[in-house]
Amino acid sequence: SYELTQPPSVSVSPGQTARITCSGDALPKQYAYWYQQKPGQAPVLVIYKDSERPSGIPERFSGSSSGTTVTLTISGVQAEDEADYYCQSADSSGTYQVFGTGTKVTVL
Amino acid sequence: EVQLVESGGGLVKPGGSLRLSCAASGFTFSSYSMNWVRQAPGKGLEWVSSISSSSSYIYYADSVKGRFTISRDNAKNSLYLQMNSLRAEDTAVYYCARDDCTNGVCYGHWGQGTLVTVSS
Repeated sequence: SYELTQPPSVSVSPGQTARITCSGDALPKQYAYWYQQKPGQAPVLVIYKDSERPSGIPERFSGSSSGTTVTLTISGVQAEDEADYYCQSADSSGTYQVFGTGTKVTVL
Repeated sequence: EVQLVESGGGLVKPGGSLRLSCAASGFTFSSYSMNWVRQAPGKGLEWVSSISSSSSYIYYADSVKGRFTISRDNAKNSLYLQMNSLRAEDTAVYYCARDDCTNGVCYGHWGQGTLVTVSS
């Protein structure tokens, strides 16, 4: 079955930049989406279609794509950005959805 | 305001059944594809099933295919998940999520989730 691979954890100091990667063979063909999830809460969509930002999401969140890897970048990290982050995309057929393994972002 | 409210979770024995519901409000329910996504305790997100706006297209993750059935009632603005032959590994918070993207699937609105525990 199709898999999206993320690093388990990323640590960053306040004001610095956090980059979270997501790798999958079908990413050149399928859009990627990113979600932020804080403890005890439902996920929130922070990036759609690789690099678009929904209304209400701070500009410090951005996304990019290169080949089989997509990247979520958080510029000028704030304490409130500490959370789990998941990428999501579809398999090559576009039929089945898959979430990445998840990355815990810790703000030092 | 878009609202998705799940219900129906609880404790069930292995092999048992449960039916989850998701009540939608604040938008034209019949215009959107809907989904179930689950999260086992301390684990990541897992897509479970999706259904198109008119129920013409239905998909399941391999882990639940043949045991779970997704359905919707557009007249009642409701989404359902019938879960049969439940296993311990089905223990999770189950979220109802609306597909908010075109040319792709993304979950722009989520419910608060309902906990399903499968244990003897």
